[in-house]
Amino acid sequence: SAVISQKPSRDICQRGTSLTIQCQVDSQVTMMFWYRQQPGQSLTLIATANQGSEATYESGFVIDKFPISRPNLTFSTLTVSNMSPEDSSIYLCSAAAETNEKLFFGSGTQLSVL
Amino acid sequence: GQNIDQPTEMTATEGAIVQINCTYQTSGFNGLFWYQQHAGEAPTFLSYNVLDGLEEKGRFSSFLSRSKGYSYLLLKELQMKDSASYLCASTGSGAGSYQLTFGKGTKLSVIP
Repeated sequence: SAVISQKPSRDICQRGTSLTIQCQVDSQVTMMFWYRQQPGQSLTLIATANQGSEATYESGFVIDKFPISRPNLTFSTLTVSNMSPEDSSIYLCSAAAETNEKLFFGSGTQLSVL
Repeated sequence: GQNIDQPTEMTATEGAIVQINCTYQTSGFNGLFWYQQHAGEAPTFLSYNVLDGLEEKGRFSSFLSRSKGYSYLLLKELQMKDSASYLCASTGSGAGSYQLTFGKGTKLSVIP
């Protein structure tokens, strides 16, 4: 099983600023994903982080708002740009060793935007 | 598209058995996951069904019927620590892609 370290675990940010969340996996993985979980809701996929190329975004999410990097097979970042209170949520990094393998999750980043 | 439906909340008694149902309508269905999520924590993997039938893993079992678009998670000998949200998630992918879509989760409360 993969161990995923995600940081920061929580942050309180001002409107209009940006926050970068880091995700480190303890082994090389094929698939890395970023999810958002709003209060009382389930997980919504933001994007698939592709190693060495641009991320693949889901409907409703755009690169300018949520730029993602994945420089290698163990690390990814998600930036929440120009934040507004509507961005207050838990952001979760996840990874799977191979396609259709079970997903492991980081511990999440609790973001509050004032 | 993908649509996953599961009950919002359930309550059960310590020591009892509870069944959490999940129905799904997905394109390119590949398999069905169950995750457990305690409040304030990340989801943790419970089970993954690809073939029809029941898979047992200790106190937890998961069932899948692909023809009916139906799954359930069975929890036996309930313990207080089983109070959590249980998320049903399906994979719907074509060759070379992978996507996990989650249901809204079932919040299970175990009472003494």
